Formats: sequence, C-alpha cells, structure tokens
Amino acid sequence: KNEVEQSPQNLTAQEGEFITINCSYSVGISALHWLQQHPGGGIVSLFMLSSGKKKHGRLIATINIQEKHSSLHITASHPRDSAVYICAVSSGSARQLTFGSGTQLTVLP
Amino acid sequence: DAGVTQSPTHLIKTRGQQVTLRCSPKSGHDTVSWYQQALGQGPQFIFQYYEEEERQRGNFPDRFSGHQFPNYSSELNVNALLLGDSALYLCASTEDRAGMYTEAFFGQGTRLTVV
Repeated sequence: KNEVEQSPQNLTAQEGEFITINCSYSVGISALHWLQQHPGGGIVSLFMLSSGKKKHGRLIATINIQEKHSSLHITASHPRDSAVYICAVSSGSARQLTFGSGTQLTVLP
Repeated sequence: DAGVTQSPTHLIKTRGQQVTLRCSPKSGHDTVSWYQQALGQGPQFIFQYYEEEERQRGNFPDRFSGHQFPNYSSELNVNALLLGDSALYLCASTEDRAGMYTEAFFGQGTRLTVV
C-alpha cells in the first residue's frame, strides 16, 4: 500500500464545475502539500498545510489530521486549470517529500 | 528573483553512458533535493544535499550520486545508464530552518531519455 493515495486518477469536468480531488495518507506527517504540474514537467506548489483550511483564489485545501485525509477543491473551474494535481507529505524529521501518483484534471470549455 | 533552474532541459543518452544534471536553487535556499518521475507516476525521492553533504537518500542504487557546491548548486550523476533510467528528473530547493520543513520550489526538470 502506498503511503500517499490520491483519487480519482483522472477527472474530466465541464468549465464552471466544482472539482474535488482527494488525498489519503498512512503515516504521521508534519505537513501536506498540494502541487500542480503542467505538461512539460514543472511543478508549482499550491498549498502547504498542517491543519485546517487554506484558500487562494479559486483553490481551497482542507486537511483532517485525525482521518489522515486532505481535499483540494477548485471552484468555477476553467480550462487553464487542466493539469496534474499531486498530493505530497513530509513526515517527522524527514525533509523529503513522499508523493501521490497524481490526478490528471481536464476541464473542457 | 530567479527560481530553481535546471539544465539541460532535455537529454538523450545511450545505455551504459554517464550523465550529469545540474540544478541552481532559489536564492536564499541551502538545501537541494532530487527526484525521479517516471511517466504517469509521482516523483520518487533520490537524495538530498545540505552543507555540501548527502543528508538523506532514497531507495536508489549507487549508480546515482550527487554533489553540492559552496554556492548551494547541485549536480546529479548517473553512471552506467539503463533504459529504466528514462524519466523526468526534478530538483527542489528549500531553506533549512532548524529541522522544520519549509515550502519547496521546483525546477522545470530535465527529461532524460536512454536509448
């Protein structure tokens, strides 16, 4: 069993829809990260959180430490949101990230 | 302020050859981590450099080695290349703050193809 599991693996939505991507992890963590990867490879950090909820524009990230679960929400989705969204965790004294396998999001106009 | 820069962006090598990939961290960052991302998968941790030493290492063979320079830039070297080494290699930089994890900034990656 992977330490970080994401669902769904693939998601297609119509422009304007509300989108949710889920992440579950099996280890104690110091922080959970949501990242965005566009074709070509570059990764951009969207959120780093260890409790509660964070919001940036149309993006919202939540985490439930007791349930070891996090969600990334996108409101009013747009075709430019199409990308791979990756959940990653850092745990204990480890300074590296452990990644999920990513969710390929396609938003159709 | 330049972010994390990696070079080259693309590379094609033959089985058995050796390759060196380079990374310059974000200004003010002193820690560099390298990750390998196979197609359709999440990145896998290779190793991390801090104060010019390898601080942590993932489950990669000794063919994978690295170096960090006094200016915090880093190199990833892979010897005796295998077809399975074909992947996107990502560099991430962070600032070490008394053992706390801080936000990572990623480069655009180097796409390595082994033929």
